[in-house]
Amino acid sequence: DAKTTQPPSMDCAEGRAANLPCNHSTISGNEYVYWYRQIHSQGPQYIIHGLKNNETNEMASLIITEDRKSSTLILPHATLRDTAVYYCIVSRMGSARQLTFGSGTQLTVLP
Amino acid sequence: DGGITQSPKYLFRKEGQNVTLSCEQNLNHDAMYWYRQDPGQGLRLIYYSQIVNDFQKGDIAEGYSVSREKKESFPLTVTSAQKNPTAFYLCASSIRRGGTDTQYFGPGTRLTVL
Repeated sequence: DAKTTQPPSMDCAEGRAANLPCNHSTISGNEYVYWYRQIHSQGPQYIIHGLKNNETNEMASLIITEDRKSSTLILPHATLRDTAVYYCIVSRMGSARQLTFGSGTQLTVLP
Repeated sequence: DGGITQSPKYLFRKEGQNVTLSCEQNLNHDAMYWYRQDPGQGLRLIYYSQIVNDFQKGDIAEGYSVSREKKESFPLTVTSAQKNPTAFYLCASSIRRGGTDTQYFGPGTRLTVL
């Protein structure tokens, strides 16, 4: 699976959009981009995933560049409860496979 | 409510004792997984199971054992052979949708060996 690079930390003001970047320049054509987050001492929470088109659900939007080498997770109106470590994962999900979590981005939403 | 439950949330054991961590899901997912997370680190796969009565070792299976007698249940036993068992243990399950599997995680069990 392709490796990902994320900034170690970011701050965001409450109520503003949080834009979390991820680089995955070695991604293959059959690999998906997944985003999870983990609040301290809890299990990771699935947020969203995509292959090449932009995706949106009730939690977030995922913007994938045309060359698929990078993506951005957007939380449109960040709240204090969105403070967590956010993980960008690239994986060829064709069968049961291990998810490789890197070090992620610690997002802190400030009041 | 559908979801994944892990029990207990906190578990203490004495060195040399075996202990079993519970994982149950009512999502009708086929595949289930066990991961281990150490402080400040990512998740490492211990075992996974794609169907009942079948499971495969992950990267760090030594000192652990599992069973998959029912679709809903995937218990993990931490044996006395596991040298550093103190960690946060996470169970996950997944289902295939649109050609891809999405894994969903339980709340975790924090195991401390005294």
